[in-house]
Amino acid sequence: DAGVIQSPRHEVTEMGQEVTLRCKPISGHDYLFWYRQTMMRGLELLIYFNNNVPIDDSGMPEDRFSAKMPNASFSTLKIQPSEPRDSAVYFCASSPYGTGGTEAFFGQGTRLTVV
Amino acid sequence: QKEVEQDPGPLSVPEGAIVSLNCTYSNSAFQYFMWYRQYSRKGPELLMYTYSSGNKEDGRFTAQVDKSSKYISLFIRDSQPSDSATYLCAMTPYGNNRLAFGKGNQVVVIP
Repeated sequence: DAGVIQSPRHEVTEMGQEVTLRCKPISGHDYLFWYRQTMMRGLELLIYFNNNVPIDDSGMPEDRFSAKMPNASFSTLKIQPSEPRDSAVYFCASSPYGTGGTEAFFGQGTRLTVV
Repeated sequence: QKEVEQDPGPLSVPEGAIVSLNCTYSNSAFQYFMWYRQYSRKGPELLMYTYSSGNKEDGRFTAQVDKSSKYISLFIRDSQPSDSATYLCAMTPYGNNRLAFGKGNQVVVIP
């Protein structure tokens, strides 16, 4: 398996534009997680899915952020409209049984810059 | 108070030295404790995990958990330049999928 695949690797956009980040989890993994990493706040969980269903979105910063998982092999994180403070590295991770004691496999991340 | 505290200050050591990293936490419900390693411009990867208190050894790496003090440590023996990375501690209650991460320690091993 190629691991968790994220696209794009880098994204530069202007404030106010819509941004869509994409993730393909490892096949057979029932859990998918979206994280955001910044120098100030470290790695923060935004939302996670179990069997394509959003379970906990309490980490989503505001209504400008939305995430979907239409099927077991694809998820998106959308920011609309984007703001400079959204600049961060966004990671997608998947796990076979969840992270309560088992490993989360992370993608390479998408480095987002909003100017 | 943040749930997990990890001093993010960079750490430079000569090759062969012992690296000592630690985190403190405030949530007594945490039962799974993990260390992730993150190379520059890569995603984190799990290095070690322990359940509840005690020690765990894997090659040159040793993880320690002291639940009474709410303190966890990672030791790297005979450090190598390939160990240069950021090390993040993470923890969660049993069966909970919200991992709480420390900010990470950047380690540089100088040949």
